[in-house]
Amino acid sequence: GESVGLHLPTLSVQEGDNSIINCAYSNSASDYFIWYKQESGKGPQFIIDIRSNMDKRQGQRVTVLLNKTVKHLSLQIAATQPGDSAVYFCAEEGGNEKLTFGTGTRLTIIP
Amino acid sequence: KAGVTQTPRYLIKTRGQQVTLSCSPISGHRSVSWYQQTPGQGLQFLFEYFSETQRNKGNFPGRFSGRQFSNSRSEMNVSTLELGDSALYLCASSLVGRGAFFGQGTRLTVV
Repeated sequence: GESVGLHLPTLSVQEGDNSIINCAYSNSASDYFIWYKQESGKGPQFIIDIRSNMDKRQGQRVTVLLNKTVKHLSLQIAATQPGDSAVYFCAEEGGNEKLTFGTGTRLTIIP
Repeated sequence: KAGVTQTPRYLIKTRGQQVTLSCSPISGHRSVSWYQQTPGQGLQFLFEYFSETQRNKGNFPGRFSGRQFSNSRSEMNVSTLELGDSALYLCASSLVGRGAFFGQGTRLTVV
């Protein structure tokens, strides 16, 4: 039969604006979270991580927020650039090196 | 420091054949994980090796196997290939508990 592809949420943002990508995770025992960026034809690229004993972590132009109460993770990208266009994945790890990935969000930056 | 290297980058195989994919982790990383990425299923965990031992395994049939060598390099093998095995196979290496870094992947097409 016909295979149904994953429906990737999409987000379009004007260049220079800030973007927020959200992710709900499933395992309340997960204690480590990573955001990845994947460009077409490439492997996922590590952006930023956060441990469960933190609720916010900042990098260069990126901020990750963790809300353990509602099992929610978000990635904020400041002053978006055309090179930020990609699919963004959140991943959770429960301490055994096995990452469980979300379905991903396709971010498109509009020049 | 060199990143994760996967070879080959592209492969075309016929149904029923077998294939071996190779992964060289980042120097010093002893954990190597393999993932399958398809449009229909997203990123799915295959297995993880640490010090030549398989520590974690995903929900894939026994046709998918792997191994790790004493220098931490890893190979995965898929036997009796099926059309549905067409995917991007990704290898990731990590220092334990410090996040996984991915290679560019091997694009396998089964015809």
